[in-house]
Amino acid sequence: DAGVTQSPTHLIKTRGQQVTLRCSPKSGHDTVSWYQQALGQGPQFIFQYYEEEERQRGNFPDRFSGHQFPNYSSELNVNALLLGDSALYLCASSLARGASTDTQYFGPGTRLTVL
Amino acid sequence: GENVEQHPSTLSVQEGDSAVIKCTYSDSASNYFPWYKQELGKRPQLIIDIRSNVGEKKDQRIAVTLNKTAKHFSLHITETQPEDSAVYFCAAISSGGYNKLIFGAGTRLAVHP
Repeated sequence: DAGVTQSPTHLIKTRGQQVTLRCSPKSGHDTVSWYQQALGQGPQFIFQYYEEEERQRGNFPDRFSGHQFPNYSSELNVNALLLGDSALYLCASSLARGASTDTQYFGPGTRLTVL
Repeated sequence: GENVEQHPSTLSVQEGDSAVIKCTYSDSASNYFPWYKQELGKRPQLIIDIRSNVGEKKDQRIAVTLNKTAKHFSLHITETQPEDSAVYFCAAISSGGYNKLIFGAGTRLAVHP
């Protein structure tokens, strides 16, 4: 039973560039949430995807966008990168059960460095 | 807005002692409170969680208590071991639903042999 996987593990970009991060959820899960974790801080919610749609969003600008595919995997895209976007990007998967939700399991993260 | 405060930010204990980490949350409608352990360079791993219909949950050396009236919850680790050294995060689920977690800032626990 595969856990949550993310790629790439590390990425270095320069300001103004665009980046795409990928996530495959735990087997049997249908919901993917993305979090940004700056150094020394707790994860901050970016957005969540369910049934291929963004259904909730945190306080992040439109430069952050995403997508979910029919196999439940997901991508996070960040445009016009800023130095402040340097962080660990975590993907978490869970199983939506109507109004209630299940435990979130995190992937290993992608460390993004913007120079 | 939604907020989770976590204390202390750092905690140093001797092996075998107990460690307690406390969190308060602002959203009275939150009903799910997980705790994650994150070792250096690794993913956050769920160690225990509690739902609002219970006041306490225990799993071997780890326990969590919840006081809904006061809107605070705590993690208790007994008989600490060096491998318990890590950063611990508390979180509360947003009442907006859809599994949005609001995290505390973390507690760096150091267990000294």
